[in-house]
Amino acid sequence: EVQLVESGGGLVQPGGSLRLSCAASGFTFSDHYMDWVRQAPGKGLEWVGRTRNKANSYTTEYAASVKGRFTISRDDSKNSLYLQMNSLKTEDTAVYYCASSAYSGSYYGLGYWGQGTLVTVSS
Amino acid sequence: SYELTQPPSVSVSPGQTARITCSGDALPKQYAYWYQQKPGQAPVLVIYKDSERPSGIPERFSGSSSGTTVTLTISGVQAEDEADYYCQSADSSGTSWVFGGGTKLTVL
Repeated sequence: EVQLVESGGGLVQPGGSLRLSCAASGFTFSDHYMDWVRQAPGKGLEWVGRTRNKANSYTTEYAASVKGRFTISRDDSKNSLYLQMNSLKTEDTAVYYCASSAYSGSYYGLGYWGQGTLVTVSS
Repeated sequence: SYELTQPPSVSVSPGQTARITCSGDALPKQYAYWYQQKPGQAPVLVIYKDSERPSGIPERFSGSSSGTTVTLTISGVQAEDEADYYCQSADSSGTSWVFGGGTKLTVL
């Protein structure tokens, strides 16, 4: 069974930093593209960014709203995905989901999702 | 920045067909993906690459594409299909991904 479990959320002051983790199991993590998606309270989904797999050189892409502040990384030896968030703003308050491409090798839509972790940016 | 446009709401009676559209300038070049999200739950992928259905998704869910618009069709809508639906795609460069604003499907 595929499982994605996020951790690391919490309350942080504006300008602060936070690192989210996502532990994956039940599939060959190294073969899959991985995304972070967030959802502000009562709002829609917002794509945060992506890391591709080793075959595609672990390249990353980011939404304009987080580029230069957020960094996505992965450790295939630990089946883990990370999101380093710096210079946090109140508008970054959201539930953050890690999600995996439905099938290995390329992007086939986000077929597996974690339960999400809440990040609250407030003074 | 690139945008995908969805109607805020669609309402249908049980057994009828629901159609949810998503419009974007790059859709002729980029695939679209559709997600269903029920309150308090993570999204579920229901259509990938415009019209492919992941395993486990009922056949009543289908997708199509025409020019700058993609459509999610739910045939024989059931009460359990009441949810928010989001389309997702990329800009023409393929490097910036977005979700549509979401459509709330109400089953009357």
